[in-house]
Amino acid sequence: GAGVSQTPSNKVTEKGKYVELRCDPISGHTALYWYRQSLGQGPEFLIYFQGTGAADDSGLPNDRFFAVRPEGSVSTLKIQRTERGDSAVYLCASSPNGGTGYGYTFGSGTRLTVV
Amino acid sequence: QKEVEQNSGPLSVPEGAIASLNCTYSDRGSQSFFWYRQYSGKSPELIMFIYSNGDKEDGRFTAQLNKASQYVSLLIRDSQPSDSATYLCAVNIISISGGYNKLIFGAGTRLAVHP
Repeated sequence: GAGVSQTPSNKVTEKGKYVELRCDPISGHTALYWYRQSLGQGPEFLIYFQGTGAADDSGLPNDRFFAVRPEGSVSTLKIQRTERGDSAVYLCASSPNGGTGYGYTFGSGTRLTVV
Repeated sequence: QKEVEQNSGPLSVPEGAIASLNCTYSDRGSQSFFWYRQYSGKSPELIMFIYSNGDKEDGRFTAQLNKASQYVSLLIRDSQPSDSATYLCAVNIISISGGYNKLIFGAGTRLAVHP
């Protein structure tokens, strides 16, 4: 597609529920990144995919968070047993390859609210 | 010590003035540096990147890099009310295993340009 697409744009869920957030990167971009942004903070790195594999998942806060990219294109971030502290904007970004060369293109984000 | 530090602001400047935004980083191995602009409720948008020591100009924006001091800045000349936003500094961090980079963001500086 022309840009990075994220769905849903907003998600409200109850504490303890499971959620999935989807990211469709720019066509042909092999590198895909997930970030989380809390109010008043900069984006916080979560995980990086190069192709289908997670090259760096060091930013995932705990084992309730998991992400996949089975065909090297669309990625899904999965959060189990959501907690109120998970409330944030989840941003996805893509780049042509693993280098930061010219920076990333971000999607419009998914605002997750856990009540 | 945070990897990327910015003054949170707000930085308030009158219309037509020069706005100066600053950023320091801790990883001496970082090679590329980015400035993103983020309007309230929107995702970050890349406005400048710089790799070499010195200045890089693009229209009303000038990025400055001093690797010895681990310091990056962004100057906005002839500031306009439409420049009011949060400006995020991002620095590439090279993975321990090598072969790829990821961007680490500062918390951002809020700029307010008043008429």
